[in-house]
Amino acid sequence: DTEVTQTPKHLVMGMTNKKSLKCEQHMGHRAMYWYKQKAKKPPELMFVYSYEKLSINESVPSRFSPECPNSSLLNLHLHALQPEDSALYLCASSQETLYNEQFFGPGTRLTVL
Amino acid sequence: DQQVKQNSPSLSVQEGRISILNCDYTNSMFDYFLWYKKYPAEGPTFLISISSIKDKNEDGRFTVFLNKSAKHLSLHIVPSQPGDSAVYFCAASEGSSNTGKLIFGQGTTLQVKP
Repeated sequence: DTEVTQTPKHLVMGMTNKKSLKCEQHMGHRAMYWYKQKAKKPPELMFVYSYEKLSINESVPSRFSPECPNSSLLNLHLHALQPEDSALYLCASSQETLYNEQFFGPGTRLTVL
Repeated sequence: DQQVKQNSPSLSVQEGRISILNCDYTNSMFDYFLWYKKYPAEGPTFLISISSIKDKNEDGRFTVFLNKSAKHLSLHIVPSQPGDSAVYFCAASEGSSNTGKLIFGQGTTLQVKP
């Protein structure tokens, strides 16, 4: 199994909703990442988990809350988002954080109304 | 301040010819570089990488060249195929810092015409 899966594929939520994005990989990778990508822009790193511990938070607003329940799963909990948070949210994984290519999932297209 | 730059937003080549995508970087601490391909509504797909101890890496039709003194890398695709039409991102990291943090360029849209 060489893929990263993400659910849901699409999500529409209101500004008062609470929702979660889910990411899963079964490649035995020990580093997992959340990225945000706006239209016609490159992916921007949000969070890095290494061995299930949060190692990087790129000054992301607290309305985004990551969670790594185990080495295969990564969640992103969303609460009180703003319309400008609408974007493609990408999950990626790599064997480790040292000199390793990252493998990306297909993304969740999020729309905040 | 953009640390990784892809100055050509788009490139159009004929099928069978060579595609050359360029990328420049400013941070001399970058020592690991990657190229990704992205189709619309999909996540980026890893293509090829190179560490700063090398100046060339090949994988099938894809070759990446690194010129450290010029802080420049390029991706060559030979021969180009219509299925190669996508957005190509170069990315760089301070691999030795062991953070896993990738900095992406703005992307170049490649169109390969049949």
